[in-house]
Order: sequence, then structure tokens, then C-alpha cells
Amino acid sequence: GAGVSQSPSNKVTEKGKDVELRCDPISGHTALYWYRQSLGQGLEFLIYFQGNSAPDKSGLPSDRFSAERTGGSVSTLTIQRTQQEDSAVYLCASSSTGGANYGYTFGSGTRLTVV
Amino acid sequence: GIQVEQSPPDLILQEGANSTLRCNFSDSVNNLQWFHQNPWGQLINLFYIPSGTKQNGRLSATTVATERYSLLYISSSQTTDSGVYFCAVDRGTYKYIFGTGTRLKVLA
Repeated sequence: GAGVSQSPSNKVTEKGKDVELRCDPISGHTALYWYRQSLGQGLEFLIYFQGNSAPDKSGLPSDRFSAERTGGSVSTLTIQRTQQEDSAVYLCASSSTGGANYGYTFGSGTRLTVV
Repeated sequence: GIQVEQSPPDLILQEGANSTLRCNFSDSVNNLQWFHQNPWGQLINLFYIPSGTKQNGRLSATTVATERYSLLYISSSQTTDSGVYFCAVDRGTYKYIFGTGTRLKVLA
């Protein structure tokens, strides 16, 4: 598509439930990134995909967090047994690596609220 | 890990004024980007600028990699420039580290 699409845009879930967040990157972008932004804070790196593989998972906060990417396109971030501290905006970005115009394009984010 | 500091943390301008936002980083970097996050939360890439100077309309940016800083210039500011400006740096791993941002408010 023309931009990075994330769904749902908002998600309210009960503590202890599992949630799945989806990111559909720009067609042809090989790199995909997940970040988290807590209220009024900067962006925290979670995970990076190059194609379908994740060379850097160092930012995942705990083993309750996992992510996958299939077909070099859509990615899903799964949070199991959600906790209140997981409440944040989850942002996805994609990029084509290399080149003079290299840069991220971000989606609009998924606002997750754990009650 | 690398530290990214942005200044000032907050800035209030009258419409039409000019401003300079600064990003300092604690180690050498391969890549650097500037972003604008509008009041609705959307992050927009402004510049990919690992070194040198670029201009896009009323905005321009300069990165002096050897001295570990980058500057974002906003001229003739407009109310639509309001939001948070982030600098983000990468050491060649494509894992960008974001600064804490400069929150800009432009008054009509």
C-alpha cells in the first residue's frame, strides 16, 4: 500500500488476556521495526526484521512479547498475559535499506490500554 | 549504549519566528534521522541526514558527524509545526535510538 498500516488503531484489553497487533508495511520494504511509546515518552525499540528474520530481538521487554513476519510483508506483535505496564502506543515502521533516501515510514500506531 | 540528548526540551514560539533544535550523541553514528510527531501522534520522517546539510522548504538540517551533533532549523514557523521533534541515531545496525524530543508549540 501507499503507507504503513497498523491495526487495530485502539485496543482495550483486560489484564491477563493475549493481544495481537498487526503491521502491514509499504510494499517492497524489506526492513520492518516495532517500537513502543509510553505516554509523553520517547520511542523504545522492540524488534527489527530484515525479510522474515529478526536479527535483533534485544528490545523485547519480556518473554511475554513475541513477533513474527511472514512473506516478507505483514508482521504481528503478540503480547501474552498482558499487564498494565504494557499500556502504550505500539508503532511500526518500514524502510528500504540503503540508498540516499533511506528513512523510516511509520504507521499511525496501535494504542493499547490494559485495564 | 549510545546516548542521544535533545535541546531545548520545550520551546514556545510566536508564528513567524525561527528556531534551532539540537541533537547531541555520545558516540559515532552511521545514520541519523529527524522526525516530527504531530499532536495526533503521527510520526513523519523529515530528514535522513548522516552528514552534511539538507533543505526541504522551511526546514533544513545539518549534521556534523565528527563533532557528534545535528541541528534542525525551522524558519518562519507556523502553527502546524507544533508537536514533538525527535532525533534518532543508528550505529549501522538499523536499530535507531531515539532522543527524548523537543516539544514545540507555535502560537498564532
